[in-house]
Amino acid sequence: AQTVTQSQPEMSVQEAETVTLSCTYDTSESDYYLFWYKQPPSRQMILVIRQEAYKQQNATENRFSVNFQKAAKSFSLKISDSQLGDAAMYFCAYRSAEGAQKLVFGQGTRLTINP
Amino acid sequence: EAGVTQSPTHLIKTRGQQATLRCSPISGHTSVYWYQQALGLGLQFLLWYDEGEERNRGNFPPRFSGRQFPNYSSELNVNALELEDSALYLCATPRGLAALSTQYFGPGTRLTVL
Repeated sequence: AQTVTQSQPEMSVQEAETVTLSCTYDTSESDYYLFWYKQPPSRQMILVIRQEAYKQQNATENRFSVNFQKAAKSFSLKISDSQLGDAAMYFCAYRSAEGAQKLVFGQGTRLTINP
Repeated sequence: EAGVTQSPTHLIKTRGQQATLRCSPISGHTSVYWYQQALGLGLQFLLWYDEGEERNRGNFPPRFSGRQFPNYSSELNVNALELEDSALYLCATPRGLAALSTQYFGPGTRLTVL
């Protein structure tokens, strides 16, 4: 079974600075997808970014980018120019390319933005 | 295009009662995934419905069940409620081609068991 580990329960960063959230995963599959979701206090899960395992190029979405290291099974999220609205729980998630395609989540990292 | 909707927003029950939670997927999409987010924990996969059938379930007891209707909306039923069933229940709909899809979530139902 696949597992996802987020080793940082909490992180904080000054507004306008850069922060990196870590995620590692364990799988024997070669084809899969990785996601970062954001959950603000409203509890709505919001997709931040996704990465296809077959792509070597790291995904970027505006201020959000990932560092995907397939061999190391590592998938970190970098947030540049942090904004107060970025404060939330961030969840790393894994999905197989086949089968049930359910999401397997890490335990989450609570990100605080200091003004 | 409307997003994923869930009702009710909050639900308070007592131990031993039954709870029914509802989810409507994004219009035109046939799959619904249910997840449980207990306090302080990550999300755990509960159930997957597609085309009216239960396709897969997570490691939860049989008192967690559900169904999917012809319009692809879904119900999650939790029987014989226990205190540890208190959680946020989220449903999600995948968008995009099956293997390439991304799951989009509803706002959740907060279930409190007293």
